[in-house]
Amino acid sequence: SQQGEEDPQALSIQEGENATMNCSYKTSINNLQWYRQNSGRGLVHLILIRSNEREKHSGRLRVTLDTSKKSSSLLITASRAADTASYFCATDNYGQNFVFGPGTRLSVLP
Amino acid sequence: NAGVTQTPKFQVLKTGQSMTLQCAQDMNHNSMYWYRQDPGMGLRLIYYSASEGTTDKGEVPNGYNVSRLNKREFSLRLESAAPSQTSVYFCASSAGLAADTQYFGPGTRLTVL
Repeated sequence: SQQGEEDPQALSIQEGENATMNCSYKTSINNLQWYRQNSGRGLVHLILIRSNEREKHSGRLRVTLDTSKKSSSLLITASRAADTASYFCATDNYGQNFVFGPGTRLSVLP
Repeated sequence: NAGVTQTPKFQVLKTGQSMTLQCAQDMNHNSMYWYRQDPGMGLRLIYYSASEGTTDKGEVPNGYNVSRLNKREFSLRLESAAPSQTSVYFCASSAGLAADTQYFGPGTRLTVL
């Protein structure tokens, strides 16, 4: 069973627009991470947010965490064609292991 | 500094054949992981090794075995490959278990006929 579920499954936007994707999870977590996967490649870590944090920024990325709703969102501002990729959230079940969601496929059109 | 390397990149097997996927990391990480990724799905954990000398089952361990050969290397073995094991396999490592960032290899694309 998968802990994290991303929404939407696929998202298509124009270059320069903002992209928002969401992740919902089922049980209490220690932290939540977002990863990016370019086609045919391994995953690359983007950002980690701990359960006692509500918002975190890294460059054009903004992540929020609402533990009461068991959800997180990833906002990519001023998107570029190079942002085209699949985005995954991964939840840490207090040291057991990471559980990845099925991902959001983002297409940024020039 | 190569990070996480995996061999081979591609492999085609016939049902019943065996093979070992190799993974090595040069970041002095304690923990290592094997995942599989099926089309349109996220990663599912097969096995992990919290530290040298220990291995534990993940979500989908059936049909696989692992060996943590030393701190750098973590191999995944398919003893008798089945078509259901057709997938892309990723190895990852982290400084510690779970709470740390995981660093991924480029993946091995395995097809079982």
